[in-house]
Amino acid sequence: DQQVKQNSPSLSVQEGRISILNCDYTNSMFDYFLWYKKYPAEGPTFLISISSIKDKNEDGRFTVFLNKSAKHLSLHIVPSQPGDSAVYFCALQSGAGSYQLTFGKGTKLSVIP
Amino acid sequence: KAGVTQTPRYLIKTRGQQVTLSCSPISGHRSVSWYQQTPGQGLQFLFEYFSETQRNKGNFPGRFSGRQFSNSRSEMNVSTLELGDSALYLCASQGQGRGSPLHFGNGTRLTVT
Repeated sequence: DQQVKQNSPSLSVQEGRISILNCDYTNSMFDYFLWYKKYPAEGPTFLISISSIKDKNEDGRFTVFLNKSAKHLSLHIVPSQPGDSAVYFCALQSGAGSYQLTFGKGTKLSVIP
Repeated sequence: KAGVTQTPRYLIKTRGQQVTLSCSPISGHRSVSWYQQTPGQGLQFLFEYFSETQRNKGNFPGRFSGRQFSNSRSEMNVSTLELGDSALYLCASQGQGRGSPLHFGNGTRLTVT
């Protein structure tokens, strides 16, 4: 049973527009929420995170929103650029004594020039 | 600061053999985790080490094992390889404190024939 779901395997967006990537989870014990970006043949690269005590965190063009009651996380990229084309993973962390991440299966974002 | 280094980048083995993968974390990072990425299952947690002690283990058979050395470098071993072990194996290191992001290496691509 998947604890973390990214229901859109792919997303295409025009350059300059907003990209919105979504992530849903089932376990209320998750308390840190991270987004990673991955290019082929490379490891995932950390983008942005949010703790469960916040509902929004911004870093430049990237904003993460957390809706704890809905168990829903989203990443907004604005404006989208062709270099943003990659696979995006949400990753959730829970529990004391371990830094284990539970990943969604990823959304492939294509930004069209 | 140098990133997480994994060796080798690519490996081809035959069924029944065993393999050892190596990971050097970011300098100063004492936590090292291993993940397996396959097209069907996405990124799945293997195990986590902190100061030479295994702190957490994922749902993988006992053929998968690991260790961490006093300099924080880590190795993982897979014995009696099966075709289904073909995957990208990713190592990540983390600094102190929950919410501190994991930093990933570029992985070892293991192919079992």
